[in-house]
Amino acid sequence: TQLLEQSPQFLSIQEGENLTVYCNSSSVFSSLQWYRQEPGEGPVLLVTVVTGGEVKKLKRLTFQFGDARKDSSLHITAAQPGDTGLYLCAGVNFGNEKLTFGTGTRLTIIP
Amino acid sequence: GAGVSQTPSNKVTEKGKYVELRCDPISGHTALYWYRQSLGQGPEFLIYFQGTGAADDSGLPNDRFFAVRPEGSVSTLKIQRTERGDSAVYLCASSLGFGGLAGVGTQYFGPGTRLTVL
Repeated sequence: TQLLEQSPQFLSIQEGENLTVYCNSSSVFSSLQWYRQEPGEGPVLLVTVVTGGEVKKLKRLTFQFGDARKDSSLHITAAQPGDTGLYLCAGVNFGNEKLTFGTGTRLTIIP
Repeated sequence: GAGVSQTPSNKVTEKGKYVELRCDPISGHTALYWYRQSLGQGPEFLIYFQGTGAADDSGLPNDRFFAVRPEGSVSTLKIQRTERGDSAVYLCASSLGFGGLAGVGTQYFGPGTRLTVL
């Protein structure tokens, strides 16, 4: 069974601060995705990283895929209240359509 | 266009009862997925359809769970003899299918059905 552990589980910081969320596994994945989920809604895809060592930027969010394709990180610069939500990483295996989700990081940005 | 819709949004039932949860995917999406999300956890894969057939049902926890997609569009997740441990949010997602090097097509999720078994 492939497991994805996210840390921290909960994070509450002031508006304007920077933060990093981690997603770790002992298994290799073909690609890794990051989602954000708000209460009462389904997860929404933010990014997909495919190549080991890949870095992708989405405005204030920076995503990195580990060289060995077992881990990933999400860094948010100058956090804003609109960044509040549940952040989920999900691993993908080539040729297999199902997503293996991580345990989630619940982020709260305090104005 | 419309996104993935799920009905009902909330379902409260008693232990031992039968329930059906419905998912309407995005028009034209051939792939449909069901996931279950327990409180405070990430979604857990249940089953994946490509067209009318179940391509992977390895996530269904036991034979009380069954899903169908008879015409390749709408899907119904059926749970027999519900137990309190079945309480969760059941999420449905759809996609255009194979995603090339990324390994999976972008999955678009519905808002989920919150099932509570008393």
